[in-house]
Amino acid sequence: SYEVTQPPSVSVSPGQTASITCSGDKLGHKYVSWYQQKPGQSPVLVIYQNTKRPSGIPERFSGSNSGNTATLTISGTQAMDEADYYCQAWDSSNWVFGGGTKLTVL
Amino acid sequence: QVRLVQSGAEVKKPGASVKVSCKASGYTFSSFAMHWVRQAPGQRLEWMGWISGVDGNSKYSEKFQGRVTITRDTSASIGYMELSSLRSEDTAVYYCAKSIAAGGRPLDYWGQGTLVTVSS
Repeated sequence: SYEVTQPPSVSVSPGQTASITCSGDKLGHKYVSWYQQKPGQSPVLVIYQNTKRPSGIPERFSGSNSGNTATLTISGTQAMDEADYYCQAWDSSNWVFGGGTKLTVL
Repeated sequence: QVRLVQSGAEVKKPGASVKVSCKASGYTFSSFAMHWVRQAPGQRLEWMGWISGVDGNSKYSEKFQGRVTITRDTSASIGYMELSSLRSEDTAVYYCAKSIAAGGRPLDYWGQGTLVTVSS
């Protein structure tokens, strides 16, 4: 079965750019979504179809996907962006999640 | 606005079954698929399966095939997920979510989650 891999943690200083990667075989040929989850809350969709932002998601969130790696980029990271981030790929009608990356803003 | 409201927390004994409901509002229920995703304590999100909005057909993750049943009541706009033969490893928060017909079928709205605890 298909798998996607994320780094367990990423740290960033406030105002800087955070990049969270998601790797999988030929991932660039698939659509990737990204979800933000804060402690005790349900996940929130922040990027879909590799690069699109749902209504209400700040412009500082962006995405890319090429080759074997998709990347979620948060520009001008704020303290409120501290959360777990999950990538998700759609493969053969299965929704596959990465292991999640804990973003720490310090 | 779109809302997915799930049933309350459950405590079950090993070997029992649990059925979680998800009441949808704010959109045309039968036009969109509903998914079920679970998250064990401190663990990743894990997709369990979905039910098509168009024809009501269900598809399940291989991991849960044979133990999970996803159904819906379109007249009441409620989705259901039933998991049988529960074991301690099934202790988790279970989420319903709706998907949209964009590339990759992203899950754009999620319920608040239902904690299912399996303990003797």
